[in-house]
Amino acid sequence: DAGVIQSPRHEVTEMGQEVTLRCKPISGHDYLFWYRQTMMRGLELLIYFNNNVPIDDSGMPEDRFSAKMPNASFSTLKIQPSEPRDSAVYFCASRTFGVGGYTFGSGTRLTVV
Amino acid sequence: AQSVTQLGSHVSVSEGALVLLRCNYSSSVPPYLFWYVQYPNQGLQLLLKYTSAATLVKGINGFEAEFKKSETSFHLTKPSAHMSDAAEYFCAVSGHTGNQFYFGTGTSLTVIP
Repeated sequence: DAGVIQSPRHEVTEMGQEVTLRCKPISGHDYLFWYRQTMMRGLELLIYFNNNVPIDDSGMPEDRFSAKMPNASFSTLKIQPSEPRDSAVYFCASRTFGVGGYTFGSGTRLTVV
Repeated sequence: AQSVTQLGSHVSVSEGALVLLRCNYSSSVPPYLFWYVQYPNQGLQLLLKYTSAATLVKGINGFEAEFKKSETSFHLTKPSAHMSDAAEYFCAVSGHTGNQFYFGTGTSLTVIP
């Protein structure tokens, strides 16, 4: 099992540009989570999906952020337009139903200049 | 509502000394509790989890944690620190659905040679 795969690992973009982060969960996992990690705020849950359906997006900071999960093996987190304060490490995690921890991806380090 | 508090954002121990990282939880339902470790530039890895079975939980790399309901604590310990244990450690709590984890702010462990 390759684990949760995120791409790109690093992204540097200019303010105002659109950024798309990608995630492939572990096969068979029916929950997918997007987290953001910063020094100031720690780990914040942005949104999570169950069976490709968004369940809770209350953590999405603003309308500039959107997330989709078109199928069980792929999800995107889009920021449009990006701002310097969006600079952070974005993690995707997945899990299957029942008791258990998440499996995290290696993260995407986003820098908006 | 659920939350965790990690006491001490930075902990330093000598190599070979006892490691003790503190976590207290708040939960309106019987909690599931987790410890994760994050090495530099990597995602979070599950160290161990408590899911209402044995109160003393053993995890990977020689770590263990004890669930103490009377103290609402789930402290992480390791008898003898190794240089490779230097990392960020996160405590997390979830309810029985496991749909949403609430992470602590993390404790950075430094191991001094």
